[in-house]
Amino acid sequence: GENVEQHPSTLSVQEGDSAVIKCTYSDSASNYFPWYKQELGKRPQLIIDIRSNVGEKKDQRIAVTLNKTAKHFSLHITETQPEDSAVYFCAASTYSTLTFGKGTMLLVSP
Amino acid sequence: DGGITQSPKYLFRKEGQNVTLSCEQNLNHDAMYWYRQDPGQGLRLIYYSQIVNDFQKGDIAEGYSVSREKKESFPLTVTSAQKNPTAFYLCASAPGTRDYGYTFGSGTRLTVV
Repeated sequence: GENVEQHPSTLSVQEGDSAVIKCTYSDSASNYFPWYKQELGKRPQLIIDIRSNVGEKKDQRIAVTLNKTAKHFSLHITETQPEDSAVYFCAASTYSTLTFGKGTMLLVSP
Repeated sequence: DGGITQSPKYLFRKEGQNVTLSCEQNLNHDAMYWYRQDPGQGLRLIYYSQIVNDFQKGDIAEGYSVSREKKESFPLTVTSAQKNPTAFYLCASAPGTRDYGYTFGSGTRLTVV
């Protein structure tokens, strides 16, 4: 089955810095790659996604890049703010389900 | 207001008890999922359903059971066979089963007492 590896597990940045979270996947048949943000005690929420026919997608301060040849995709957050502090999960779509990475705890210090 | 509702928010189970977690959606989504979340483990798939009266096991189905009698509802039963049930349980739904993002419920935190 699909295996998704996510790094780093924890990331601490200063407000205004950029943050990058990286994921790799194993199944070349995966075609859809969403990213979720989960604040403490709350539900994961979809923040951005990318499909395999696109190499990069941006939404304001958030961008995702995909390299299908290398089977990796990344989340980029620019001009980080304290409210960006949360756990971020990447996922890969394989046939009927999403396989999630183990998450990255992002801490943004004022 | 469309969404996916899980209840209860907190649940306590005694040893040897079966408990049922509720998940209801009014998004007219075909697919529904149950995930378990443990610290440092990410989200692990328990069961999923693509259509009414049909469901498939996920990666950690042992000790759990589900039913899908209505499109809107996908309850999860944690049986006494599940030896380590303390976790945060998330229900999700999606319009279909291939290449769709999920909408998650707010979760149920189950604790064994």
